[in-house]
Amino acid sequence: ENVLTQSPGTLSLSPGERATLSCRASQSVSAGYLAWYQQKPGQGPRLLIYGTSNRATGIPDRFSGGGSGTDFTLTISRLEPEDFAVYYCQQYDNPPWTFGQGTKVEIK
Amino acid sequence: EVQLVESGGGLVQPGRSLTLSCTASGFSFDYYAMHWVRQVPGKGLEWVSGISWNSNSLTYADSVEGRFTISRDNSKNSIYLQMNSLTAEDTALYFCARRHTTGFFYFDLWGQGTQVTVSS
Repeated sequence: ENVLTQSPGTLSLSPGERATLSCRASQSVSAGYLAWYQQKPGQGPRLLIYGTSNRATGIPDRFSGGGSGTDFTLTISRLEPEDFAVYYCQQYDNPPWTFGQGTKVEIK
Repeated sequence: EVQLVESGGGLVQPGRSLTLSCTASGFSFDYYAMHWVRQVPGKGLEWVSGISWNSNSLTYADSVEGRFTISRDNSKNSIYLQMNSLTAEDTALYFCARRHTTGFFYFDLWGQGTQVTVSS
């Protein structure tokens, strides 16, 4: 299975700062079949990005995704208070569909 | 309101069975494939099982193959996960999730989850 490793585990930043999250796959993710989710306490995940760089419906443009092959990034250009949460990447290139272990973005 | 609501979780002894339910509202349920994903604290998310809109395609993670059975009832806007021979490793928060209409296996709507704890 394709193991996804996210880094860093925790990112401590202030509102207004830029956040860059990394997701590295153990096998190449063809055609950019990679998604990102946001999860807040007590809630299910929320789809942010699919196809590496496509924002889901209603997602603000401060969220952007990029990368290819085995290395992908999620960037939040300017952190808003509501952006402090845990973020997961997921590959849907080959089953089983796998997720990274998450990056927590916390308030510094 | 577009939502998924899971139920049926609880405390169960090792080796016993439990059935989870997920009820959808606010969208055309019978148009979508649906999945179960579980979350163990500190270990992230694990895809468990999926079912096509017409129940013709059922898929399972290796870790649950042969023990879990996914099903759906489109007349009730619901999917189910029958879990047999439960072990401590099945302890997790179980989410149901809707697969995106593009047919690719990412998930655009999630429930809030139902907790399953396997312990004697």
